[in-house]
Amino acid sequence: AQSVTQLDSHVSVSEGTPVLLRCNYSSSYSPSLFWYVQHPNKGLQLLLKYTSAATLVKGINGFEAEFKKSETSFHLTKPSAHMSDAAEYFCVVSENFGNEKLTFGTGTRLTIIP
Amino acid sequence: EPEVTQTPSHQVTQMGQEVILRCVPISNHLYFYWYRQILGQKVEFLVSFYNNEISEKSEIFDDQFSVERPDGSNFTLKIRSTKLEDSAMYFCASSEEVSGGPSETQYFGPGTRLLVL
Repeated sequence: AQSVTQLDSHVSVSEGTPVLLRCNYSSSYSPSLFWYVQHPNKGLQLLLKYTSAATLVKGINGFEAEFKKSETSFHLTKPSAHMSDAAEYFCVVSENFGNEKLTFGTGTRLTIIP
Repeated sequence: EPEVTQTPSHQVTQMGQEVILRCVPISNHLYFYWYRQILGQKVEFLVSFYNNEISEKSEIFDDQFSVERPDGSNFTLKIRSTKLEDSAMYFCASSEEVSGGPSETQYFGPGTRLLVL
């Protein structure tokens, strides 16, 4: 069975400082991992994905994430936060081998302090 | 850029009433999904659909729920007799076919917020 744990329900950072949103996963197979972002009153937008290629994945808006199998982690980072980054971020896992179901973490709300 | 669309954006209904939530997936996608997010909780998988059949469903997706692709563009979720606990945001998603199976990347619509009174 697959699962995702997002270690922080809420993260606040000052504009221009680095962002770190933490995610640990559990999977019986080689997983695909994703980060989705949800801005207020908007749908879920794919930020980036890992699908067994390069372990450091670059996404949109300057975000990146590193897959660390030894730590079962897939933390999301950004060097410098922008006000527009304020949103809810979801770490998501999908087991391959025909399992189409995405399993979501509980989400991390990112607040940017001006 | 193509996107998944959903209608209505908001729906209020009385307990026991039937509701139909509509989705238009990305046009060349063949795999379709419904998820829901109860307020304050995580997004949960409901059902996946391919080739006019349900391919996987969760425990949440009981006999009160059904899905249909009535034409070449729409994908619907029907709740026959709504309950208070069905109040949630419902997301539709779609993915393309890759090497004979679903791409691992699913694209989500903006959601329908359902409120059951």
